[in-house]
Amino acid sequence: GAGVSQSPSNKVTEKGKDVELRCDPISGHTALYWYRQSLGQGLEFLIYFQGNSAPDKSGLPSDRFSAERTGGSVSTLTIQRTQQEDSAVYLCASSLPLTDTQYFGPGTRLTVL
Amino acid sequence: QQQVKQSPQSLIVQKGGISIINCAYENTAFDYFPWYQQFPGKGPALLIAIRPDVSEKKEGRFTISFNKSAKQFSLHIMDSQPGDSATYFCAARTMGSSSASKIIFGSGTRLSIRP
Repeated sequence: GAGVSQSPSNKVTEKGKDVELRCDPISGHTALYWYRQSLGQGLEFLIYFQGNSAPDKSGLPSDRFSAERTGGSVSTLTIQRTQQEDSAVYLCASSLPLTDTQYFGPGTRLTVL
Repeated sequence: QQQVKQSPQSLIVQKGGISIINCAYENTAFDYFPWYQQFPGKGPALLIAIRPDVSEKKEGRFTISFNKSAKQFSLHIMDSQPGDSATYFCAARTMGSSSASKIIFGSGTRLSIRP
């Protein structure tokens, strides 16, 4: 079946602009996660959603970052007033409830000039 | 206390050799320890995982060794092959407030297998 998809695959933007990154999780997966991976670095947790519960936003680095999940499916990560240090690959993952395995999308590579 | 420390940062192994990657943690509430494999341009994918009630888990050429008292675990890749060249992440899970799996990742090890 279809895996986690993310769009766009690449995004180049100018400093100060807003960007939106999209994640389509695997159908039926109620848990959805966003991570940030800087060049050569590990995975930095940003936010996760579980069903209708309040999201865990503890990993968001600043108030310029926000995310929403509509209808319990698609999620959008928004970065306002982008900075050069926001350049990274943004990964989305989803999982079934109360299971251990997270399935990752291919990521969106964001470059802020 | 939420960190998972991984070493080495990079590793070069000859084809047929054993690749060993080590991780350590502090939080005793972690209850699940997966390893993820990531190829360039792709998202990470689950490779193998272990729970703290066992000391070793083997799947094919991949083995996790787990030392609960030392709070350390490691990945061993036997008979390493060029196709194993990838970045490997250890991780540890803690249950989130809404019963979802919140996974803390190590910093990653870039493994290169020389033919």
